Amino acid sequence: KQEVTQIPAALSVPEGENLVLNCSFTDSAIYNLQWFRQDPGKGLTSLLLIQSSQREQTSGRLNASLDKSSGRSTLYIAASQPGDSATYLCAGEGSQGNLIFGKGTKLSVKP
Amino acid sequence: NAGVMQNPRHLVRRRGQEARLRCSPMKGHSHVYWYRQLPEEGLKFMVYLQKENIIDESGMPKERFSAEFPKEGPSILRIQQVVRGDSAAYFCASSPIRGANGNTIYFGEGSWLTVV
Repeated sequence: KQEVTQIPAALSVPEGENLVLNCSFTDSAIYNLQWFRQDPGKGLTSLLLIQSSQREQTSGRLNASLDKSSGRSTLYIAASQPGDSATYLCAGEGSQGNLIFGKGTKLSVKP
Repeated sequence: NAGVMQNPRHLVRRRGQEARLRCSPMKGHSHVYWYRQLPEEGLKFMVYLQKENIIDESGMPKERFSAEFPKEGPSILRIQQVVRGDSAAYFCASSPIRGANGNTIYFGEGSWLTVV
């Protein structure tokens, strides 16, 4: 059974710092891995999708990597801004396309 | 192109009542997923539907919960005889083909159910 774990559960950093969010999964047979952002009381916004054949994806200040052999993914955020404050969710795709989520990392970027 | 539309956004029900949550997928998307987010918990998959078919309901509680995606109209998640433990945010997502398969899956803003 696939389980997804995210560390840390919460993170507070000063503006401008580079930071790394970690995600690990127990079953390397995932299809794809996605990172989402969730703001309080809102839905999920997809940030990056890494297909199973890929190793990383980049969008602006965000870079996500995937290492299926070790069961890990990281989300790197460069030059963090207060507007980056949100909960970041990692999700692996199961065989039917359903997503298996971690509990998220709650990020706070202080001005 | 409107995103995934969910309604109601907030719903309050007394114990024992029924809750109906609606989801209209993005235009051109025929695959719908429902997820539940309990307080302080991650999102949990509930059910995957295509038009008129339930493909995977392995995450649905065995009793009181049902889902449909008719040929016409939105997908409906129905919770009968609600209990306090059903209080959660229910999210709908849609995609154009099975699974993400390299296509981004789009989420609605969620329906927040409170059972009093």
